[in-house]
Amino acid sequence: QVHLVQSGAEVKKPGASVKVSCKASGYTFMNYDINWVRQATGQGLEWLGWLNPSSADTAYAQKFQDRVTITMDASISTAYLELINLRSEDTAVYFCARGVDTTDFSPGDYWGQGTLVTVSS
Amino acid sequence: SSELTQPPSVSVSLGQTAMITCSGDGLAKQFAYWFRQKPGQAPVLVVSKDTERPSGIPERFSGSRSGTTVTLTISGVRAEDEADYFCQSSDISGSYVMFGGGTKLTVL
Repeated sequence: QVHLVQSGAEVKKPGASVKVSCKASGYTFMNYDINWVRQATGQGLEWLGWLNPSSADTAYAQKFQDRVTITMDASISTAYLELINLRSEDTAVYFCARGVDTTDFSPGDYWGQGTLVTVSS
Repeated sequence: SSELTQPPSVSVSLGQTAMITCSGDGLAKQFAYWFRQKPGQAPVLVVSKDTERPSGIPERFSGSRSGTTVTLTISGVRAEDEADYFCQSSDISGSYVMFGGGTKLTVL
């Protein structure tokens, strides 16, 4: 079965950085894009960006363009989200989500369990 | 446009039909996707590419489109369908993902 397993909860101070991992299994990692989506408590879903593992191409939401980087280690089928210069508004659950199919990067039916990132002084 | 607009809430009686709309200029050229999310859980894809139902999703979930408005229809609503529903699409260029604000479905 397809699984996306994310790293554990993080607590960071304002101005710090966080790196969340998403390990894929049960499919060929290189064939599907990986999206990162976040959700603050009681709020909606907010897309941060995606990665094409095959080409290493990335695209980021304009809002996060200067603070987010999505990378990967294909040898261990793992994608990473790094967010720098954290502020309290970045407190949220961060999800990785596989692309819906091999030709469409839109988030599909496989999501990680979510990683809570708390930014607090 | 970079926005998808959904009603904040929809209420429906048990066994009736619920319809949740999502509108946005980008929908003229891009597919729409619908997710169901229950508290404390990751979103679940219930409709893909406007009208496709992923494996394991009950037949009572269906999607449709009319111009720049897409609709998620849930027929014969059950208590377990009470959740938040989000539409998702891409910008007109097809490069960026965007989500609607979400609709809370209440089953009466």
